[in-house]
Amino acid sequence: KAGVTQTPRYLIKTRGQQVTLSCSPISGHRSVSWYQQTPGQGLQFLFEYFSETQRNKGNFPGRFSGRQFSNSRSEMNVSTLELGDSALYLCASSFSGGLTDTQYFGPGTRLTVL
Amino acid sequence: AQKITQTQPGMFVQEKEAVTLDCTYDTSDPSYGLFWYKQPSSGEMIFLIYQGSYDQQNATEGRYSLNFQKARKSANLVISASQLGDSAMYFCAMREGETSGTYKYIFGTGTRLKVLA
Repeated sequence: KAGVTQTPRYLIKTRGQQVTLSCSPISGHRSVSWYQQTPGQGLQFLFEYFSETQRNKGNFPGRFSGRQFSNSRSEMNVSTLELGDSALYLCASSFSGGLTDTQYFGPGTRLTVL
Repeated sequence: AQKITQTQPGMFVQEKEAVTLDCTYDTSDPSYGLFWYKQPSSGEMIFLIYQGSYDQQNATEGRYSLNFQKARKSANLVISASQLGDSAMYFCAMREGETSGTYKYIFGTGTRLKVLA
């Protein structure tokens, strides 16, 4: 079974631009979560989508948004990029997002904001 | 208060020896899941092992075992017979939310393990 895929793997943007990251979950998985990882803040939860609905949300500004499509693929958008948005963005999928569900992560998208 | 605490920012272990990575957690939920992930320098988070709060036995997956002490709220990862390829960052995570109804993964700050030849 194919794993979680994320595109693009690397991205360089300038301040003020916007960016869209894509995540394709493992086949059959309906829950997709997004995380931001930085050396200073560690791994921080952004949001989770299940059946095209945002189910959970972390403490990030409204510039960070996402969506999920009917095939469970998910996109994350960051508008008006800031230098501090430079990070590794990880997507994870699980079957249903339940309590004992294991999340499987993709390889990440490394975003650099100049 | 930190929900997941990993007190060892970095550790060294000799190849072929066993190593224990510490993790303590804090939750008032009766049901929760505990997970360990490995993150090599490439960046991808790799799932290692899972322990449910009601599991009577400690979880094991190959060379990985989880030393689960519920009363102490600890879920230490034990890696036996360390290999050079085990050098990576290790994250402890908890899935809780039965009480609130919103399940979230909470990650610790990680422990960087270096295996020495």
